[in-house]
Formats: sequence, C-alpha cells, structure tokens
Amino acid sequence: AQSVSQHNHHVILSEAASLELGCNYSYGGTVNLFWYVQYPGQHLQLLLKYFSGDPLVKGIKGFEAEFIKSKFSFNLRKPSVQWSDTAEYFCAVNEGRGGSYIPTFGRGTSLIVHP
Amino acid sequence: DAGITQSPRYKITETGRQVTLMCHQTWSHSYMFWYRQDLGHGLRLIYYSAAADITDKGEVPDGYVVSRSKTENFPLTLESATRSQTSVYFCASSHRDAGTSGNTGELFFGEGSRLTVL
Repeated sequence: AQSVSQHNHHVILSEAASLELGCNYSYGGTVNLFWYVQYPGQHLQLLLKYFSGDPLVKGIKGFEAEFIKSKFSFNLRKPSVQWSDTAEYFCAVNEGRGGSYIPTFGRGTSLIVHP
Repeated sequence: DAGITQSPRYKITETGRQVTLMCHQTWSHSYMFWYRQDLGHGLRLIYYSAAADITDKGEVPDGYVVSRSKTENFPLTLESATRSQTSVYFCASSHRDAGTSGNTGELFFGEGSRLTVL
C-alpha cells in the first residue's frame, strides 16, 4: 500500500523566514500529489496540486511545490512566511484502486510562525 | 453556498452506544470519503464510496458502518462506540475526472465532527 512520509512534524519559524516541508511517497507509478492546509479550528482546504506537466506548481498564498519523480518527493516551499501561515500542513498522494483514486495522507506538519 | 455539511459538529456519547455522523454534499460529487484525524496519525481513511450503493473499506474500517443510498448523503455509524473512536471525523467529496472513469483525487472537506466517547 501507498505510504506518505512527512519528515518534519513540528516547525517553528519567525516571520519572513523561508519554509520547506518535506514529503516523500512510496508508490512507483503515476501519481497525483496534493498539499492541504488546515488552519486552527478549520477544515482542510487545498493549497496546491500536481497532476502532470511542469513539476513546479504554484498554489495559493505564495506557496509552491516541486515534484521530483526520481526522489519520490513533493516538497512544499514558501520564500517568506507570515504569522497567518500558522497551520497544519498535509501532503497527500493518490493511489489508484480499480480506477478510483484514493488519497493517502501523511501525518502532517504543524507550523508555528512567530510574529 | 453549496458545499459539504457535517452534523453534529460536536458529540459526546458513552461507550457502547450507537452514533451516526451525517454528511451531506450539494455538488453531486460521485465520490465521498470518511477520514478520522488523530494526533500523531494525520488523516486515516475509514470508508469511501465511488457512487450510490458502492462503498469500500479504507485503512481503519473496524467498528464503523457506512451506507450511501443517495449520492448526496454518506452517513457514518459507530455501531457500539469505544473510547478509541474518540476523534475528529472529516467527510470529503471528490468529483469524477472527465477524462477517466475515476475521480480526480482532489478532496473537498466538511467542517468536521468532533466525537468524544466516555
């Protein structure tokens, strides 16, 4: 079965610092990749996604992620974080099951940004 | 505004009781999912459904039952609640991919239902 690893469980940064959150997956076939964000007390919402094409994808709020197929990675980046980026971040990877794509999630990374 | 609504948002129950969490979506998405979110485990899939009357197990299905008689509803039932089922439950939906017979995998989440089992 698919597994998704997020190596950083807790990250604490100051405002304006750069961010990179790691995500690695185990599936060797064609994948769809996602990053979701969960702000405190809210539901998950999509940050960005990769289906095909340019491996560098841009999402909302200045986030971007790079798909590196050879490394089975889809790391999330932001050049300068803001206090409002404090949230839980989840990487998700689709696994095909008989034509259905079932996302498997990583354990999440808790990001705290100090003003 | 259309979307996914979950009810109840908060529920406290006792061990052994039956509990049903409701999920309703207005997008007519084919796929619906139930995840539980626990500290240190992220989101784990309980059950999913590809269409009305089609359901399948996820990673942690034991102790849960689902049904999908209508496309828009996907209730999750805990037949006999246990303390280990204390969690936040998220319902999500996904629309069908126009180019394939499956779904896109992009999920749209509800607000979550926080369940405490005493």
